[in-house]
Amino acid sequence: DTAVSQTPKYLVTQMGNDKSIKCEQNLGHDTMYWYKQDSKKFLKIMFSYNNKELIINETVPNRFSPKSPDKAHLNLHINSLELGDSAVYFCASSPGRRTFRYEQYFGPGTRLTVT
Amino acid sequence: LAKTTQPISMDSYEGQEVNITCSHNNIATNDYITWYQQFPSQGPRFIIQGYKTKVTNEVASLFIPADRKSSTLSLPRVSLSDTAVYYCLVGTDSWGKLQFGAGTQVVVTP
Repeated sequence: DTAVSQTPKYLVTQMGNDKSIKCEQNLGHDTMYWYKQDSKKFLKIMFSYNNKELIINETVPNRFSPKSPDKAHLNLHINSLELGDSAVYFCASSPGRRTFRYEQYFGPGTRLTVT
Repeated sequence: LAKTTQPISMDSYEGQEVNITCSHNNIATNDYITWYQQFPSQGPRFIIQGYKTKVTNEVASLFIPADRKSSTLSLPRVSLSDTAVYYCLVGTDSWGKLQFGAGTQVVVTP
C-alpha cells in the first residue's frame, strides 16, 4: 500500500487554467504538507496542515489554495496558472506538528507543466 | 533556520565509503541535524537524524563533532542504487519551517 499518494502524477495545462492536485496518506499522521521543487531542484515548503488546521502558510501567491477535508487528505488548488508555476509538487505527512523533529514521508510528486 | 553548506556533487565507485560533510556554523542550541535522500522522480526520503556525537542506523551513520558546526553523513559501501541527491537540514523541534538546500548529487559508478 502506498503511504502517501498524489494524483495526478503528470499535469500539462495552459496558462490561465485552474487545476487541482490531490494527496492522501494512509499512515494515520496528523500533519500534511505541500512542497514545490523547481527546475533547479530547490524544495520549498508552501503549506502545512495539522488536523485540518493551517499551521504553515508560506509566501505563495493567493492563486494557490490548500484544502484539507480531513486529516488524511490535503488538496492543492491553483487558479490562473502561470508559466512560473511549472514545477514538481510534493505532498508529505508526518506524525506530529513538529515539522523538524518528526520524519516526513513524501509522495511521488506531481509534475506540473504550464504551456 | 541555520544555513547549511554542502558540496554540490560527489562521485564514487561501488563498494567505497562516501562521506558528505555539511557546514552549519550558526546552528542553534536546540537544532537537530537531519539528512534526506532523493532519487530521480521521487520524493525525498528520511535517512537519519542526530543532535550530537554519532548516530547509526541500517542505512548510514551521522557524525557530529562537539562544536556541532558541521556534520558528516557516511554511506558505507555504496552501490549504484545510492546514486541520489542528499540534503542536509538543520532546524529546531517546532512546527516551523522545513527548508531544503541545494543538496549534494552523489553519483556511484561501477
